[in-house]
Amino acid sequence: DARVTQTPRDKVTEMGQEVTMRCQPILGHNTVFWYRQTMMQGLELLAYFRNRAPLDDSGMPKDRFSAEMPDATLATLKIQPSEPRDSAVYFCASGLVIGSPDTQYFGPGTRLTVL
Amino acid sequence: AQSVTQLDSHVSVSEGTPVLLRCNYSSSYSPSLFWYVQHPNKGLQLLLKYTSAATLVKGINGFEAEFKKSETSFHLTKPSAHMSDAAEYFCVVRGGSQGNLIFGKGTKLSVKP
Repeated sequence: DARVTQTPRDKVTEMGQEVTMRCQPILGHNTVFWYRQTMMQGLELLAYFRNRAPLDDSGMPKDRFSAEMPDATLATLKIQPSEPRDSAVYFCASGLVIGSPDTQYFGPGTRLTVL
Repeated sequence: AQSVTQLDSHVSVSEGTPVLLRCNYSSSYSPSLFWYVQHPNKGLQLLLKYTSAATLVKGINGFEAEFKKSETSFHLTKPSAHMSDAAEYFCVVRGGSQGNLIFGKGTKLSVKP
């Protein structure tokens, strides 16, 4: 049963610390998305990749957030330095685009708390 | 630009009664629409999707949704609610050619015994 995995599941850190979240997409999928969920904003897209290349990261605060795909099996989202307003659940999703996009499958999320 | 509006932030039903969760969409072209469900402290699970085939779409757990272009609606229904249906439900439209999703604000479904 293929699924997207995310680590860590929960992270509590102090303001100013670096946070790295990891995502393993479903094998064979060629698109990866990062979403953030907060009570105030709901679910919003931060960045997405196709064939490991970043296509759009306009949803991310550029000065502190960075997203990368070192290889096809790993996507990372890094926050440096972290701030209390970054507290949220971060979801990774993967999908397959052949011509047109297919369904996205979501990981369980990383719950980030910045004190 | 694509968008979805979920008309109710909270719906409460009794177990065994029908469920209706309302969603209107806005799209400049024929949209791809989805319903996702999120149980407490869980990830998002796809319930069903519409991609311009049949207008009545059947999903998992007895849910279905009907695409109505004239009303720009994609309401989610279920004939008989179960306690395990209590969750938050998101109506979603595909935002662009690369597949990014645009989420509604969510509707929290409560099911009373």
